[in-house]
Amino acid sequence: GAVVSQHPSWVICKSGTSVKIECRSLDFQATTMFWYRQFPKQSLMLMATSNEGSKATYEQGVEKDKFLINHASLTLSTLTVTSAHPEDSSFYICSGTSGGYNEQFFGPGTRLTVL
Amino acid sequence: ELKVEQNPLFLSMQEGKNYTIYCNYSTTSDRLYWYRQDPGKSLESLFVLLSNGAVKQEGRLMASLDTKARLSTLHITAAVHDLSATYFCAGGPGTASKLTFGTGTRLQVTL
Repeated sequence: GAVVSQHPSWVICKSGTSVKIECRSLDFQATTMFWYRQFPKQSLMLMATSNEGSKATYEQGVEKDKFLINHASLTLSTLTVTSAHPEDSSFYICSGTSGGYNEQFFGPGTRLTVL
Repeated sequence: ELKVEQNPLFLSMQEGKNYTIYCNYSTTSDRLYWYRQDPGKSLESLFVLLSNGAVKQEGRLMASLDTKARLSTLHITAAVHDLSATYFCAGGPGTASKLTFGTGTRLQVTL
């Protein structure tokens, strides 16, 4: 399958700071990328869907001003958690697809801990 | 809105035994996926099921899809310890739309 990378794989930050997570499709062009968050022992919850060159579509209950998503190219999407708080601590996973009926390919995830 | 439910949520089974994980979904789903997740890791794709009656097998795992019953199953044959993980099913409409994940089934295979 296709490869998606995320950076960093883990990050610890202080409350009130901002953190940027990168998601890259390494061997395909991801016209659509998805961002998920996963709390311990829970399922994946979709946060937002982003199409290259367009504004992201956020799921209900996800603050778009807090979770800034940019999908500037067909191989890169970024998620910025602004003014992070301890309750934002979670495992963030991105995925990408080249569109059509093609499946999503998942990145390895980023573990965020906010102190 | 698509809802996906899995059962059981937790399954402890002995090596060598067989068991089935069930995935029910509420409305039409063009695709049904099964994923494996190890602790602290991301998702590993296991199966993609695209049509009614689809059956796919890989090693000790076999997945099937019944679109009329809105049910997919993941059958484990002669479980081994290495299969211990959390298994998720996910569904969604086609054309690169979002997936809705099930609650997950945490499988523990004991020696």
